[in-house]
Amino acid sequence: DAKTTQPPSMDCAEGRAANLPCNHSTISGNEYVYWYRQIHSQGPQYIIHGLKNNETNEMASLIITEDRKSSTLILPHATLRDTAVYYCIVSTSGTYKYIFGTGTRLKVLA
Amino acid sequence: DTEVTQTPKHLVMGMTNKKSLKCEQHMGHRAMYWYKQKAKKPPELMFVYSYEKLSINESVPSRFSPECPNSSLLNLHLHALQPEDSALYLCASSHGGVEGETQYFGPGTRLLVL
Repeated sequence: DAKTTQPPSMDCAEGRAANLPCNHSTISGNEYVYWYRQIHSQGPQYIIHGLKNNETNEMASLIITEDRKSSTLILPHATLRDTAVYYCIVSTSGTYKYIFGTGTRLKVLA
Repeated sequence: DTEVTQTPKHLVMGMTNKKSLKCEQHMGHRAMYWYKQKAKKPPELMFVYSYEKLSINESVPSRFSPECPNSSLLNLHLHALQPEDSALYLCASSHGGVEGETQYFGPGTRLLVL
């Protein structure tokens, strides 16, 4: 099963872009990359997902490298409410299983 | 609407008690999940139900017993738990038709076993 590696923590100034990296070097060709965040032990909140192409929605952008071995989640204008633990997840091919990484604790500073 | 509800929000139980956690969704999803999350750790999958049938059991001890009475409801029956079972229990759901699909999580039940 593919696994992900994320930096344990990052800081970002309010109003600046937050770039959260994720390494998934053993990802298989049909496995998706998902990003979720978890605020204060609430349930994880879906942010975005992708397979090969870069994706953008109202919350964030997802940049996946051409070899698919890593990706970056971009929050374009971070606010204090974006302070959370961000999880990069690879979906296990052939099942409904998510494999959560250890997450990055993002702290947005005023 | 992408809401998954869980009750109760908090639960304290003794090691000899029997209790149940409840999860509900009205999105027409046919896959439902239970996760366990210890403090400062990522969620860990426990069970997956697909079309009301148990499809994945991640070697969870038998003191945890899942039940899916219908496509909208998922229960987790608890019996003879240990203090180390104290954790946040998360329910999630997804469409159920395709692998690797988006899961939507509930707010969780915080369980304390004394």
